[in-house]
Amino acid sequence: GQQVMQIPQYQHVQEGEDFTTYCNSSTTLSNIQWYKQRPGGHPVFLIQLVKSGEVKKQKRLTFQFGEAKKNSSLHITATQTTDVGTYFCAALYNNNDMRFGAGTRLTVKP
Amino acid sequence: NAGVTQTPKFRVLKTGQSMTLLCAQDMNHEYMYWYRQDPGMGLRLIHYSVGEGTTAKGEVPDGYNVSRLKKQNFLLGLESAAPSQTSVYFCASSYSKWYNSPLHFGNGTRLTVT
Repeated sequence: GQQVMQIPQYQHVQEGEDFTTYCNSSTTLSNIQWYKQRPGGHPVFLIQLVKSGEVKKQKRLTFQFGEAKKNSSLHITATQTTDVGTYFCAALYNNNDMRFGAGTRLTVKP
Repeated sequence: NAGVTQTPKFRVLKTGQSMTLLCAQDMNHEYMYWYRQDPGMGLRLIHYSVGEGTTAKGEVPDGYNVSRLKKQNFLLGLESAAPSQTSVYFCASSYSKWYNSPLHFGNGTRLTVT
């Protein structure tokens, strides 16, 4: 079946360092959504990317959609302890099937 | 607004027992979904509904049934629980289908089957 690979599985950073998580698909995606789940919480929608090469920013967060629409990344500049959580991509395929990545768990050391 | 409300928050079942998870949303959303979340596997879609009275299978539907008798409610049933169904279950809703609008998740139900 269709799968989206998300890496890394875990990332531990010192506060102030940058963080990036990647989602990769072997087939072209229709669009991609990103969610954040705080420890013990539920996923919360962050953003949706639709266009090839699209880049969107939310304060310290930068989201990119690859030119071929097969990959996406979320980059956090100068992490803070409030960034702790698991970040998921949700990839929509052209047959309207949506699959979540396994998530990247971010921990931040103050 | 409460958003998406799930009950119960925790439940322990013995193998073979049955139960129903309740999900209610007050956002007048057409689409509702049930996901399960297991460590290292992200969220997997169990069943979904595109409107009152309709349901459809997702990625991992076996062992589960659903019903959407009212637009605001989506029920997930386990007829004969198995240890493999130990998981965290999330209900979600969206204004339109997932490719057009974000999913709004409930707080989850942690189910343990012994």
